[in-house]
Amino acid sequence: EPEVTQTPSHQVTQMGQEVILRCVPISNHLYFYWYRQILGQKVEFLVSFYNNEISEKSEIFDDQFSVERPDGSNFTLKIRSTKLEDSAMYFCASSEDRRNTEAFFGQGTRLTVV
Amino acid sequence: GENVEQHPSTLSVQEGDSAVIKCTYSDSASNYFPWYKQELGKRPQLIIDIRSNVGEKKDQRIAVTLNKTAKHFSLHITETQPEDSAVYFCAAHRRFGAGTTVTVRA
Repeated sequence: EPEVTQTPSHQVTQMGQEVILRCVPISNHLYFYWYRQILGQKVEFLVSFYNNEISEKSEIFDDQFSVERPDGSNFTLKIRSTKLEDSAMYFCASSEDRRNTEAFFGQGTRLTVV
Repeated sequence: GENVEQHPSTLSVQEGDSAVIKCTYSDSASNYFPWYKQELGKRPQLIIDIRSNVGEKKDQRIAVTLNKTAKHFSLHITETQPEDSAVYFCAAHRRFGAGTTVTVRA
């Protein structure tokens, strides 16, 4: 069964450093998403991406965040200058369409900022 | 953007009893309403979903009802078992509710 894969599974970084979280969506999916989940809290929408551009973003997704599809398979989330409060689980997801079909989630990347 | 409200935040039930979680949404254009189960340290897993052209859907012990006029939908778990203990999230327009921690007491 196809699945969304994320790397790394755990990333530890120093405050102020840049991190790139990587995702490989399911191959025939057209919509890609990043979510954030701070430990014990809700799953928060960050951004959706379609046709090589951002289609929606939340108020959390400020200038320190960016997304990119650098090639035909990878989808990345970059955090430019990490803060302690960026520590969270980051989930990538993909779907066939914008809002009417299941979004499949990767296993997540646990980001720890120290 | 879409706002999804979910209640209750915690729910404790006796094994064998039923559990009901309710969600409301704001975007009238939403047509797809999934429910996810998340176990500790794992990704959200889809357990059931419903589209706006139906009012109810059932899969074994799990059912979901949708009232599109009132913009609310509910998850019903019958004959609860200890393995149903988890956090459950509703979603609409790719936005998640705040989650319900369900504890099934043996």
